[in-house]
Amino acid sequence: NAGVTQTPKFRVLKTGQSMTLLCAQDMNHEYMYWYRQDPGMGLRLIHYSVGEGTTAKGEVPDGYNVSRLKKQNFLLGLESAAPSQTSVYFCASSYEQGMSETQYFGPGTRLLVL
Amino acid sequence: SQKIEQNSEALNIQEGKTATLTCNYTNYSPAYLQWYRQDPGRGPVFLLLIRENEKEKRKERLKVTFDTTLKQSLFHITASQPADSATYLCALPSNYIPTFGRGTSLIVHP
Repeated sequence: NAGVTQTPKFRVLKTGQSMTLLCAQDMNHEYMYWYRQDPGMGLRLIHYSVGEGTTAKGEVPDGYNVSRLKKQNFLLGLESAAPSQTSVYFCASSYEQGMSETQYFGPGTRLLVL
Repeated sequence: SQKIEQNSEALNIQEGKTATLTCNYTNYSPAYLQWYRQDPGRGPVFLLLIRENEKEKRKERLKVTFDTTLKQSLFHITASQPADSATYLCALPSNYIPTFGRGTSLIVHP
């Protein structure tokens, strides 16, 4: 099993450009999450999904959109990138929400917005 | 507001010693607490989970304690090795979603 994979690994954007980050998991997990990690800020939840066709806002959702059309995929979109969105983005998945559920993380996508 | 605090300063120790990392929290009543390890350039990896009714949990050289009165968890690595050098994150559920601390960097010197 590949676990959680993320595409691309690294991307440079100009301000105002759009892009989509793809997360895929092969563990049949119901729950998927998108985080951003910035120096000194830790991991902050952007959006999450509790199942196919559902999405919900996390702590820092502004400027991002997500879609979960298939259970195994969770897409994070930036419609108009801003320098403040320069960060490392991590996707994670878990079988259930709540007690005892470990999150499995992908390797991350480094995004630089100029 | 809810807050998770981990020491932002790196912890430097000698190989073979016990490393102790701290996670303090406020305005939470978590049912459990998790510890993750993160290596540079990689995603976090789950290590241990401890529930509110457990005082201590062990896994090989790792030990976690959970004091709900003090609102604190301690994470111990005994007989530390240079390979243990990494950033360690604690996480608590907030509305069933894990919320992470900023992590503490551990550096084990040979």
